[in-house]
Amino acid sequence: EVQLLESGGGLVQPGGSLRLSCAASGFTFSSYAMGWVRQAPGKGLEWVSLVGTSGSDTFYGDSVKGRFTISRDNSKNTLYLQMNGLRGEDTAIYYCAKSHGANFPGSRYFQQWGQGTLVTVSS
Amino acid sequence: DIQMTHSPSSVSASVGDRVTITCRASQDISSYLAWYQQNLGKAPKLLIYATSSLQSGVPSRFSGSGSGTDFTLTISSLQPEDFATYYCQQANSFPLTFGGGTKVEI
Repeated sequence: EVQLLESGGGLVQPGGSLRLSCAASGFTFSSYAMGWVRQAPGKGLEWVSLVGTSGSDTFYGDSVKGRFTISRDNSKNTLYLQMNGLRGEDTAIYYCAKSHGANFPGSRYFQQWGQGTLVTVSS
Repeated sequence: DIQMTHSPSSVSASVGDRVTITCRASQDISSYLAWYQQNLGKAPKLLIYATSSLQSGVPSRFSGSGSGTDFTLTISSLQPEDFATYYCQQANSFPLTFGGGTKVEI
C-alpha cells in the first residue's frame, strides 16, 4: 500500500524558512516523479513543484519560483520542499503527491496523495 | 500560463442523478487532463487521467471525455459518497494548473 507521510509544517513568521519532508513507502520511490500541491484555507488546489525521478529535473509554479526548492533522496525514499522567504499567501495545507509515472505525461498526473501538512505564515 | 475554468462552480443534485461537470482550458491541451475528487477535510483523489482513463479502483460510474480545450466529467448515477468538490488539472505544460473546482452538493 502506498503511503505518503508529510511532516515539517507549522507556524513561521513572514520572511522565515521551513523544510517539509514526505516519507514514502509501498512503492519503488525512485521510479516515480513526485510533487507538491498546496491548498490555502477554503480555496482550491495550486500546484507548487515537481521533481523527476533522479532529482535533476525540477519545475516550479510561478508564485514560488526562486523561493522554494524541491529535492529528493532516493536512498531514504523521502521528498523535500525547502521554503524560504515565506509570505502570508503561502499559508496552506501542503500535500505530497506521487505521480502516475516517470515520464511525460504520466509524471504530471498525481496518482496518490498524502494527508498534508499545514504551513501557517503569520507574525 | 494555461487557465482552467470549471462550470458550473456548484451543482445541486440528488442520489441517482446523472451529473456532468465541464472544464475549459484557455488553450489547446490535447488530451492531457486529469480529474480529482476531494471530500471535505480529505486529500484529493485521482479519478481520471489522460481525459478518459479511469484510475484503478475508481467506480465505473465516473467517466471523462473531451479534447483540445473542452472536457467533461460525468457521474452516471450519483452516490452519497460522491458529494464532493471536483477539480480538473492540465498536464500539457508547466506550470501545471488546476481549475477552481465544482462542488457537487445536495
